[in-house]
Amino acid sequence: NAGVTQTPKFQVLKTGQSMTLQCAQDMNHEYMSWYRQDPGMGLRLIHYSVGAGITDQGEVPNGYNVSRSTTEDFPLRLLSAAPSQTSVYFCASSYSKPSDSDNEQFFGPGTRLTVL
Amino acid sequence: GDSVTQMEGPVTLSEEAFLTINCTYTATGYPSLFWYVQYPGEGLQLLLKATKADDKGSNKGFEATYRKETTSFHLEKGSVQVSDSAVYFCALSDGGRISNFGNEKLTFGTGTRLTIIP
Repeated sequence: NAGVTQTPKFQVLKTGQSMTLQCAQDMNHEYMSWYRQDPGMGLRLIHYSVGAGITDQGEVPNGYNVSRSTTEDFPLRLLSAAPSQTSVYFCASSYSKPSDSDNEQFFGPGTRLTVL
Repeated sequence: GDSVTQMEGPVTLSEEAFLTINCTYTATGYPSLFWYVQYPGEGLQLLLKATKADDKGSNKGFEATYRKETTSFHLEKGSVQVSDSAVYFCALSDGGRISNFGNEKLTFGTGTRLTIIP
């Protein structure tokens, strides 16, 4: 299994540009999430999905869209990039809720995004 | 709201030293508690977890005990190795019971960078 994969690893955008961060998992997980990691702030949930066709907002959803047309893929779209979106983005997936006793949440390697 | 407070880093230790990374939390209800580790250039990995008070999570020589009376989940290891150098994140989950999200919400601490020198 490749686990959770993310592309690209690095990206530089200009203010106002749009782009899509890709996330895919090959573990047949229902739960997928996007987080951003900022210095001194830990990880914050952007959007999540509990299955194909079902998405919802997390803690910091403004400026981002998601879709979940398949179980495997969960892309994150930046509609009009802003410098405040400079961050490291992590995608995660799990079979069920992270607190379920036999479940584990798997993270991708991250995408480092800089918006100028 | 829920929050997690970790000790500030970076932490630098010599190989075979004893490690403690402090973590305290604020939450309503009875959260589950986690430690995640991020090795250089990689995503986060679950290190250990505890889902109820007095539970002890353990993995790879690391341990943490869920202390409800002190709202703490300190990470310990008796003898660290160079390969333990990484960033460690404490996190909690409300289990989806009380959050506004249908899914379970993980709240992360800011992370503690650990460097072990030979």
